[in-house]
Amino acid sequence: EDQVTQSPEALRLQEGESSSLNCSYTVSGLRGLFWYRQDPGKGPEFLFTLYSAGEEKEKERLKATLTKKESFLHITAPKPEDSATYLCAVQAAGQGAQKLVFGQGTRLTINP
Amino acid sequence: GAGVSQTPSNKVTEKGKYVELRCDPISGHTALYWYRQSLGQGPEFLIYFQGTGAADDSGLPNDRFFAVRPEGSVSTLKIQRTERGDSAVYLCASSLSQNNEQFFGPGTRLTVL
Repeated sequence: EDQVTQSPEALRLQEGESSSLNCSYTVSGLRGLFWYRQDPGKGPEFLFTLYSAGEEKEKERLKATLTKKESFLHITAPKPEDSATYLCAVQAAGQGAQKLVFGQGTRLTINP
Repeated sequence: GAGVSQTPSNKVTEKGKYVELRCDPISGHTALYWYRQSLGQGPEFLIYFQGTGAADDSGLPNDRFFAVRPEGSVSTLKIQRTERGDSAVYLCASSLSQNNEQFFGPGTRLTVL
């Protein structure tokens, strides 16, 4: 069964304090790994898709990386507006495997 | 451009009642997904449509849940004989095709009293 585990569950940082969020996964053939940001009371907002080990993608203060077993979301010099829950999800390869399997999320708080 | 929209944003109902939740996907997106999110958890897959047909309904918890997409655009999630355990945020997502990124709507918060 495909499974995603995110750590830590919650993380508090000071503004400017860089850190990383972890997403460990097991999947029967990976089609893609997705990162989303979710603000309270809103739907998930798409950030990145990673398809193969070694791939990296960046957007402003965020960089996502992928290995065969896990993905990291690195946050460099975060600002208070980066506070949100970050969700990781995998999509398995194969016919009929379009659904996303999500982790429980990491709740990130950036204090000014 | 317009994103995925869902109505209503909030729905409060009584145990045993019937509810319908509506999703308007991004124009031109052929794939549509329903997920359910409980407090403090990630979204859980319910059902996936490719065009008008349900290509994967393996996530529907039981036969009280049903979804349709009759014209390949708007979708309705229908829940019969609601139970308190059905309380959650119901999220809809759409993608250009089955292998593209999924874009989510704001969700419908369902509360069953």
